[in-house]
Amino acid sequence: EIVLTQSPATLSLSPGERATLSCRASQSVSSYLAWYQQKPGQAPRLLIYDASNRATGIPARFSGSGSGTDFTLTISTLEPEDFAVYYCQQRSNWPPITFGQGTRLEI
Amino acid sequence: EVQLLESGGGLVQPGGSLRLSCAASGFTFSNFAMSWVRQAPGKGLEWVSTISGRGGSTYYADSVKGRFTVSRDDSNNTTLYLQMNSLRAEDTAVYYCAKGQWVQTGSFDYWGQGTLVTVSS
Repeated sequence: EIVLTQSPATLSLSPGERATLSCRASQSVSSYLAWYQQKPGQAPRLLIYDASNRATGIPARFSGSGSGTDFTLTISTLEPEDFAVYYCQQRSNWPPITFGQGTRLEI
Repeated sequence: EVQLLESGGGLVQPGGSLRLSCAASGFTFSNFAMSWVRQAPGKGLEWVSTISGRGGSTYYADSVKGRFTVSRDDSNNTTLYLQMNSLRAEDTAVYYCAKGQWVQTGSFDYWGQGTLVTVSS
């Protein structure tokens, strides 16, 4: 099973700042990595798929990079609505599909 | 517009059974993999099961293998199901159905609102 480790666990920033979230895989997942945003009481929303492709309707301030075992989600300029929990997920060597433990982005 | 609407959650005793449904609309249901993902209270996301489109190969997390069965109705109902047997306290979670991007797998590009399953005596 591929383990995804996200860092930091919590990131405290202010609107207008740049956010950098990390996801590290226990073995290579090629580019089969996605990022999701989840707000309290809501379902997750797909932001980035295949490491660097923005999903439909996702603003350009969200970008993904990386391949192999190290991946980054960058939010270039934080908006108030971006404060949420972010998860990475791999589908390279499945089953099982696995998720990271999440990074909480707080104001 | 893609819509996924789960139902069937509720309170069940340990050892009991429950069947979840996910009614899908707004896309050609049979062409896409569908999955169940759960989230225990205050915890992260856990993949449960996937069924591929066009033929329906099935895949399960080890934690539910042999107890849960995923199925789909690609005809009139366009509905995803999860039959859950021998339920345990650790199965307590919000269960989401999620659409895959491709016929076999892909990232989860659309999610339902979730249905809460509580396993307790």
